[in-house]
Amino acid sequence: KAGVTQTPRYLIKTRGQQVTLSCSPISGHRSVSWYQQTPGQGLQFLFEYFSETQRNKGNFPGRFSGRQFSNSRSEMNVSTLELGDSALYLCASSLAQGSNTGELFFGEGSRLTVL
Amino acid sequence: AQRVTQPEKLLSVFKGAPVELKCNYSYSGSPELFWYVQYSRQRLQLLLRHISRESIKGFTADLNKGETSFHLKKPFAQEEDSAMYYCAPPRAAGNYGGSQGNLIFGKGTKLSVKP
Repeated sequence: KAGVTQTPRYLIKTRGQQVTLSCSPISGHRSVSWYQQTPGQGLQFLFEYFSETQRNKGNFPGRFSGRQFSNSRSEMNVSTLELGDSALYLCASSLAQGSNTGELFFGEGSRLTVL
Repeated sequence: AQRVTQPEKLLSVFKGAPVELKCNYSYSGSPELFWYVQYSRQRLQLLLRHISRESIKGFTADLNKGETSFHLKKPFAQEEDSAMYYCAPPRAAGNYGGSQGNLIFGKGTKLSVKP
């Protein structure tokens, strides 16, 4: 079974630009969550999607958005990039929404550098 | 809102020494807690969950409701245990629909086991 796949793995953008990151969950997983990982703040929750609907949202500005498609693949978008958006963006999938088994399966991440 | 605290950013021990990674939580419901681990150049992955009361790679974690703690312990640390460890609360039922805010991990503790 293929794991969670994130693309692109690395990207460099400049301030003011926008970026779209993609995540393909494990086959059969319907829930996709996104996290921002930085050395200072650790893992911060961005949002969770299930059945193409955003179910939960973290405390990030509206520049951060996402969506989920009918095949459970998800994208997140960051507009008007700021230097502080430089981070590793992790996608995680799980079988069901808010699965109480707690097991999230993570991708390798997309490392965004904003210059 | 749920909150989890990992007070140590870095923990350094010698091989064979006991290790304890601290995690404290605040949670209004009945908590289920998890530890995730990220080894160098690997994906973040589930290490163990308290509900299963299992021991993984020699690690155990006991939920102490009185102290609201879920410390991760291993009696004899090994060099291969060097990694980043994250304590994580579950996704509570009340979080569905986005009304409860963040789903959070602790900021993580970097464990370094020296030879």
